[in-house]
Amino acid sequence: SSELTQDPAVSVALGQTVRITCQGDSLRNSYASWYQQKPGQAPLLVIYGKNNRPSGIPDRFSGSSSGNTASLTITGAQAEDEADYYCNSRDTSGNHYVFGTGTKVTVL
Amino acid sequence: EVQLVESGGGLVQPGGSLRLSCAASGFTFSSYWMTWVRQAPGKGLEWVGRISPDGSEKYSVDSVKGRFTIFRDNAKHSVYLQMNSLRAEDTAVFYCARDLGGGECSGGSCSSWNIFDVWGQGTLVTVSS
Repeated sequence: SSELTQDPAVSVALGQTVRITCQGDSLRNSYASWYQQKPGQAPLLVIYGKNNRPSGIPDRFSGSSSGNTASLTITGAQAEDEADYYCNSRDTSGNHYVFGTGTKVTVL
Repeated sequence: EVQLVESGGGLVQPGGSLRLSCAASGFTFSSYWMTWVRQAPGKGLEWVGRISPDGSEKYSVDSVKGRFTIFRDNAKHSVYLQMNSLRAEDTAVFYCARDLGGGECSGGSCSSWNIFDVWGQGTLVTVSS
């Protein structure tokens, strides 16, 4: 399968922890990367590989993976973390990429 | 400053053609794979296709094969998306992105990763009569 499935929406209280998951067969052989997208903006890479953060991404963002599931965790969510989050990986062919269905995170 | 700037979007009739451009600056363009991603209004991200640094390898999603072509001009630091036989469902914001790959090993096993670490601002394509 070349699909990556995410929960459509999650909510988190300000300062609490939220985990977003991404499931798909391709994740057994490839790490996911995670993108944050706010309205009207281009996506922004936040986590990739086993658990790597690009420069400038706060350390409250972390990643993990097990089997066919990748996770993005926000520990101590802030108001500015409210956004859509997408996972991405190579598909099972290895030459194409696929995005997850996206998760809308609401910070209460 | 590392930057990607898309252009060429606009309104086109069904069945028509459009060419998008993505101009790169601030990095060695000829060393990188480049990717196109699109996002229909109110929808999620969809990977469209990618092209190798020398342009010899190209891959695209099934829904655009035979209609869309990716090519590049390294001398002009630009990548292009030629879109033919456009359909209403192609209406989207199109982004170009720098495409990097790597790998990590842990506990005796290794896995690859890919990232889109630099994105343009996007250009809107509207297919409508």
